[in-house]
Amino acid sequence: SAVISQKPSRDICQRGTSLTIQCQVDSQVTMMFWYRQQPGQSLTLIATANQGSEATYESGFVIDKFPISRPNLTFSTLTVSNMSPEDSSIYLCSVEKAGETQYFGPGTRLLVL
Amino acid sequence: QQPVQSPQAVILREGEDAVINCSSSKALYSVHWYRQKHGEAPVFLMILLKGGEQKGHEKISASFNEKKQQSSLYLTASQLSYSGTYFCGTLYSGSARQLTFGSGTQLTVLP
Repeated sequence: SAVISQKPSRDICQRGTSLTIQCQVDSQVTMMFWYRQQPGQSLTLIATANQGSEATYESGFVIDKFPISRPNLTFSTLTVSNMSPEDSSIYLCSVEKAGETQYFGPGTRLLVL
Repeated sequence: QQPVQSPQAVILREGEDAVINCSSSKALYSVHWYRQKHGEAPVFLMILLKGGEQKGHEKISASFNEKKQQSSLYLTASQLSYSGTYFCGTLYSGSARQLTFGSGTQLTVLP
């Protein structure tokens, strides 16, 4: 398994500002992902964070809005840019270790006013 | 394409059994089951690989029917702690490593 931490755990932000969420894993992992989960909804993949190269975004998500970094095999950041109330959600980091399943971090609860 | 989960919700009494299904229209490589309690992150339960393998975890087991491209999660003699939302995540044959999650099944176990 993997121990994953996310910072911040929750935040309240003003419209038009940006928030950077950090994800730290206790061991090297092959893949890191960022998901969004609206209250009562399923998990929607935003992007795959690639170490040393640009992230791979899913349909409906763009780099200008959700820039992602992954400088090494244990750390990644997701920035939610120019926020609007529609960005209010839970943002989850997940990781996959070689040959295993995905494990999720505790999530970041974001409220945009 | 998102896998289809059924039922959407189920309410049980302690000790009763439940089955949650996850179906795909695309060829599956593996199915991953998670349980998420309110306000918490999804927790991994088990993985089913192509080949019809059946796995178990406490009184929770699952099967994978390759012909039907379907997985079923079986909860036997349910406990209060089983309450939560169950998600299946699917990996498709020949595609990238990211999971596609179903819409979830909300399970409530009453005393």
